[in-house]
Amino acid sequence: GQQVMQIPQYQHVQEGEDFTTYCNSSTTLSNIQWYKQRPGGHPVFLIQLVKSGEVKKQKRLTFQFGEAKKNSSLHITATQTTDVGTYFCAGGRDSNYQLIWGAGTKLIIKP
Amino acid sequence: DAGVIQSPRHEVTEMGQEVTLRCKPISGHNSLFWYRQTMMRGLELLIYFNNNVPIDDSGMPEDRFSAKMPNASFSTLKIQPSEPRDSAVYFCASSQQGSGATIYFGEGSWLTVV
Repeated sequence: GQQVMQIPQYQHVQEGEDFTTYCNSSTTLSNIQWYKQRPGGHPVFLIQLVKSGEVKKQKRLTFQFGEAKKNSSLHITATQTTDVGTYFCAGGRDSNYQLIWGAGTKLIIKP
Repeated sequence: DAGVIQSPRHEVTEMGQEVTLRCKPISGHNSLFWYRQTMMRGLELLIYFNNNVPIDDSGMPEDRFSAKMPNASFSTLKIQPSEPRDSAVYFCASSQQGSGATIYFGEGSWLTVV
């Protein structure tokens, strides 16, 4: 079936270090969305990528969508304590309402 | 603007009891989703409604689970009888129809079945 694999499951970083999470789909996607869930909170939409090779930035966050529209990444530069949480990717398909969710990457800032 | 509103926020119930979770989607959204999140299984889609009609309930675990959407502004997810393995966070979410539509989540209902 359709799957979106997301790695790593966890990433521990020192504050100020960079963080990256990767998603890979078994099928071509029409779009990919990224969500952030703070501890104890609910997933909150961050961004959507639609075009092949698209790159979008939000301050220290950089989102990429692969040329084949099968993979995506989220990179955070110089992490801060406010970045703590779980980052999910979710892939959409043209003919299907349903988003295929990655398992999430939990960002943990080492004290 | 009000987001997706869920109630109760927290519920602790005994095994065998009926649990009803409620959701009010964002006004104007015609798609509604019920998700379940656990540490073991992550985020799982239980059921999807479009224009108040259940389109896909393949994620509903078993007959103990049922969901209704009697109108555009209200949905319920019912578990009867509840079991300890149903303990999870249940999220309701809504969106405008269409592939790739952004999904807006409620704050979740934290269910503990003892």
